[in-house]
Amino acid sequence: QTVVTQEPSLTVSPGGTVILTCASSTGAVTSGHHPNWFQQKPGQPPRTLIYSTSNKHSWTPARYSGSLLGGKAALTLSGVQPEDEAKYYCLLYYDGVRVFGGGTKLTVL
Amino acid sequence: QVQLVQSEAEVKTPGASVKVSCKTSAYVFSDYYMHWVRQAPGQGLEWLGRLTPDSGATVYAQKFQGRVTMTRDTSTRTVYMDLSSLRSEDTAIYYCAREGVGENPKRYFFDYWGQGTLVTVPS
Repeated sequence: QTVVTQEPSLTVSPGGTVILTCASSTGAVTSGHHPNWFQQKPGQPPRTLIYSTSNKHSWTPARYSGSLLGGKAALTLSGVQPEDEAKYYCLLYYDGVRVFGGGTKLTVL
Repeated sequence: QVQLVQSEAEVKTPGASVKVSCKTSAYVFSDYYMHWVRQAPGQGLEWLGRLTPDSGATVYAQKFQGRVTMTRDTSTRTVYMDLSSLRSEDTAIYYCAREGVGENPKRYFFDYWGQGTLVTVPS
């Protein structure tokens, strides 16, 4: 059973930069895993921010970026805003099957 | 604009089945995969499986093999998720989510989500 691992929680100050990561139990995350990143706020459905590692949707704020970093997928938030406080999930692709990470609770404090 | 509108909340007894619908509009139905994702109270997101609308082909998470069935009605542009042998641990919000595929280079992108359907299975 494939497991995708994220930091359970992170804290960042307003205006700061934070990196969330997404690791695979099968080995290094590559572009072939097509990492997607989602933001979810309480009581709302998830919102897709990043797809296939680093591509943004039209609604994705410029301060969000995606990459591969040290064998993991990474979501970088630069110039964090209070409204970025949320839970963030990554999703990886394994030959048709998708697996979500456990999510990272981001606190802006 | 693109819409995914899900059916209303359901309460089911243990051992029963539930069928959740996701009615789509304002895009070419056959051009996008449809996924089902669930979220138990206070928990993370869990992928159940994916349907290819034009062929009806499915891929299911191993955990749900034999218990989940995803189908579609192309005439009404509606996708269905049927989960059987329900137990209290299946209490969750169930979401449909659209996924597109880009070429050159290959890209997979989730974009639109349904509003969610709460399924409650009392213990």
